[in-house]
Amino acid sequence: GEDVEQSLFLSVREGDSSVINCTYTDSSSTYLYWYKQEPGAGLQLLTYIFSNMDMKQDQRLTVLLNKKDKHLSLRIADTQTGDSAIYFCAESKNQGGKLIFGQGTELSVKP
Amino acid sequence: DGGITQSPKYLFRKEGQNVTLSCEQNLNHDAMYWYRQDPGQGLRLIYYSQIVNDFQKGDIAEGYSVSREKKESFPLTVTSAQKNPTAFYLCASSGEGSGELFFGEGSRLTVL
Repeated sequence: GEDVEQSLFLSVREGDSSVINCTYTDSSSTYLYWYKQEPGAGLQLLTYIFSNMDMKQDQRLTVLLNKKDKHLSLRIADTQTGDSAIYFCAESKNQGGKLIFGQGTELSVKP
Repeated sequence: DGGITQSPKYLFRKEGQNVTLSCEQNLNHDAMYWYRQDPGQGLRLIYYSQIVNDFQKGDIAEGYSVSREKKESFPLTVTSAQKNPTAFYLCASSGEGSGELFFGEGSRLTVL
């Protein structure tokens, strides 16, 4: 079946690293995504990883994929107050197909 | 600028009324989607369309209807049959490539 799970809340101090975790059940997923949602707005793509990759780094963001455990994580280095938002992971089986989203993790960054 | 435009941003409806949410994109994307967002539940797919004049039900289609007469437009009607319509509605589109979804800013529907 298709199911994506995330913890609902994470609180960190400004300047620390944040790690947001996600587990999924569909081993045939080909793309995994991280989206960010600010209050009252739509979702913006942060980064994505193809299923044959283990890691992807983009400036302060690092995505780790453990395909054996079906575990995806997003690390944000030097977290800033502007990073406070809800972060969604999502999976897709193919290009242009529908995405399955997790419940979202609300990240709170305290000064 | 290319993007997705949803309107209205806020909408209030009395029970028993149908309402239509607009979604327009100028990204030349073939596929368009409607998601519903409730607190703590993430996004759930209502309907999607991969090409003009064709659309499929998502996971929670009951009480909703859509049309796709033009590539640019994918309006969603929330009918009186939808038992709990108060929610935040998000429209998205996707083109070729990684399957990335581009989202509109959302429409918040409140039933009074």
